[in-house]
Amino acid sequence: GNSVTQMEGPVTLSEEAFLTINCTYTATGYPSLFWYVQYPGEGLQLLLKATKADDKGSNKGFEATYRKETTSFHLEKGSVQVSDSAVYFCALSAGGTSYGKLTFGQGTILTVHP
Amino acid sequence: GAVVSQHPSRVICKSGTSVKIECRSLDFQATTMFWYRQFPKQSLMLMATSNEGSKATYEQGVEKDKFLINHASLTLSTLTVTSAHPEDSSFYICSAPTHGQGEVYGYTFGSGTRLTVV
Repeated sequence: GNSVTQMEGPVTLSEEAFLTINCTYTATGYPSLFWYVQYPGEGLQLLLKATKADDKGSNKGFEATYRKETTSFHLEKGSVQVSDSAVYFCALSAGGTSYGKLTFGQGTILTVHP
Repeated sequence: GAVVSQHPSRVICKSGTSVKIECRSLDFQATTMFWYRQFPKQSLMLMATSNEGSKATYEQGVEKDKFLINHASLTLSTLTVTSAHPEDSSFYICSAPTHGQGEVYGYTFGSGTRLTVV
């Protein structure tokens, strides 16, 4: 079955530091890949997504590239802010026109200090 | 953009009582709704998938009689936790697939319901 593995957290950074959160996946076919962010006490918000190999998703300074050869979708940001403190989830879903369920990674807690 | 409104955001109930959680799609028709459960500092686990006008599909290990799902209309899906016990305390989140122009699909999440059973 499908699975998603994220780097262990929590991750603690100083403001303006570079962020990488690793994500690798196992799936059949050509899944779509997502990064979601969850702020304390809230639901999930889509951060970015990519639907085919070599696509780069980007939003709010975050970016991730769909690497089929390494089955990875690592999240990066060049300069984090305190407001980026949240839990980040990598997820995948079956590709194509069907909307199958999302499979989530375990989540990575990010804390950014001033 | 597409919005899923989830209520209540927080609920505290006594052990043995039932609690209903509602998710409404505000500006689109949600023929499918996914229901997730999230334990503290853990990932989201899919509980069940509801489809408008048909029976929900439950994931392995989820009690159908305890977590009743109804999807009677294209804009409303409900999850009822029956005879709740403290171990049912958790964060419940709904999600509906949506379609954007030129895009395959995406998912919109409700804001979640924090259930505490005392």
